[in-house]
Amino acid sequence: ILNVEQSPQSLHVQEGDSTNFTCSFPSSNFYALHWYRWETAKSPEALFVMTLNGDEKKKGRISATLNTKEGYSYLYIKGSQPEDSATYLCAFSGSNYQLIWGAGTKLIIKP
Amino acid sequence: EAGVVQSPRYKIIEKKQPVAFWCNPISGHNTLYWYLQNLGQGPELLIRYENEEAVDDSQLPKDRFSAERLKGVDSTLKIQPAELGDSAVYLCASSRSPATDTQYFGPGTRLTVL
Repeated sequence: ILNVEQSPQSLHVQEGDSTNFTCSFPSSNFYALHWYRWETAKSPEALFVMTLNGDEKKKGRISATLNTKEGYSYLYIKGSQPEDSATYLCAFSGSNYQLIWGAGTKLIIKP
Repeated sequence: EAGVVQSPRYKIIEKKQPVAFWCNPISGHNTLYWYLQNLGQGPELLIRYENEEAVDDSQLPKDRFSAERLKGVDSTLKIQPAELGDSAVYLCASSRSPATDTQYFGPGTRLTVL
């Protein structure tokens, strides 16, 4: 059974602080790793699609790294702002194209 | 470019009643997904379409759930009869192709079964 684990489950961060969280996924039959942000009452929004081991992607204050050999990805947020409050989901795509989703990390930024 | 459209946004029904959800994907997106999301969990794939063909419906509870995408564009997901445990958010997403392509999600339908 393929499993995608995200940790921590929830996270409270002071505004202005930087933070990071983890997505662990199967290291075999890797095809792609997706990161999404999901704000309450909105649609999940794509942040990154990563395919290559060692890949690093950046979008504003948010960045992500990928290690396909050991099966993990980190998402970093620099200088957290209240608008960063959301659930961050990762999803693993294997050779069968099916996305296996993690349960998400709920991030709450305290002003 | 219009995003993925879903309706209704909210639905409250009594158990044993039927319910249907509608999704219109982004124009030109061949792949359409229906997901179920329970509180505190990640989305679970129910069915994936490539054009009008259901290529992955292994997680769809076929005794009560059905889906169709007759012309390879919009899609309908139906539950008949609904059970209390079906209360969840039903998400529709589309992409140009599977695997590496970004999936674009609709706002979801929040179903409450009483």
